[in-house]
Amino acid sequence: GAVVSQHPSWVICKSGTSVKIECRSLDFQATTMFWYRQFPKQSLMLMATSNEGSKATYEQGVEKDKFLINHASLTLSTLTVTSAHPEDSSFYICSASESGPGEQYFGPGTRLTVT
Amino acid sequence: AQSVTQPDIHITVSEGASLELRCNYSYGATPYLFWYVQSPGQGLQLLLKYFSGDTLVQGIKGFEAEFKRSQSSFNLRKPSVHWSDAAEYFCAVGSPRGTALIFGKGTTLSVSS
Repeated sequence: GAVVSQHPSWVICKSGTSVKIECRSLDFQATTMFWYRQFPKQSLMLMATSNEGSKATYEQGVEKDKFLINHASLTLSTLTVTSAHPEDSSFYICSASESGPGEQYFGPGTRLTVT
Repeated sequence: AQSVTQPDIHITVSEGASLELRCNYSYGATPYLFWYVQSPGQGLQLLLKYFSGDTLVQGIKGFEAEFKRSQSSFNLRKPSVHWSDAAEYFCAVGSPRGTALIFGKGTTLSVSS
């Protein structure tokens, strides 16, 4: 079946530094990838949608200069949290879909802790 | 506005008892409907999905869900709950155009012995 991986699975960084999270579709080409954020004991909230080769579309309230998303190939999208602050600590989950209608395939998530 | 409502924040069920988790949605177009399960600190696992056709869909781990268009509902059921079913359950709605999913707030299932 379709598999999506994320790396790293967890990361701890100091306030003010940047951290990059990778999302890869391992056995299919992902024309669209989505990035979600999940705070403890809360639901998933969409942050942005990225299409290969295009600029990401950010949801209202998500700072595009802080959360840099790059979808450079059909199998890789990256989320870079720049100048991280403790309030950015969260569980970040990506999902990927092939062209056309259908389900999304979710990665296992990345736990970010900013100290 | 498009939304998903899971009315029950927390449910406790005895092991071996039946389970029903409620999900109502508001969606302007033909909905694609999903149920996911999430264990603490883990990612999402797809239990089942509804795109079209038979309104009663079977999923993994003995779960099923029924799509009722007239009630805008997609409730999840299991006839006999196991202790390992304790987790967070999310209902989600998407579109045939492959847009992002809209998630409900989730229902925490606890299983008592």
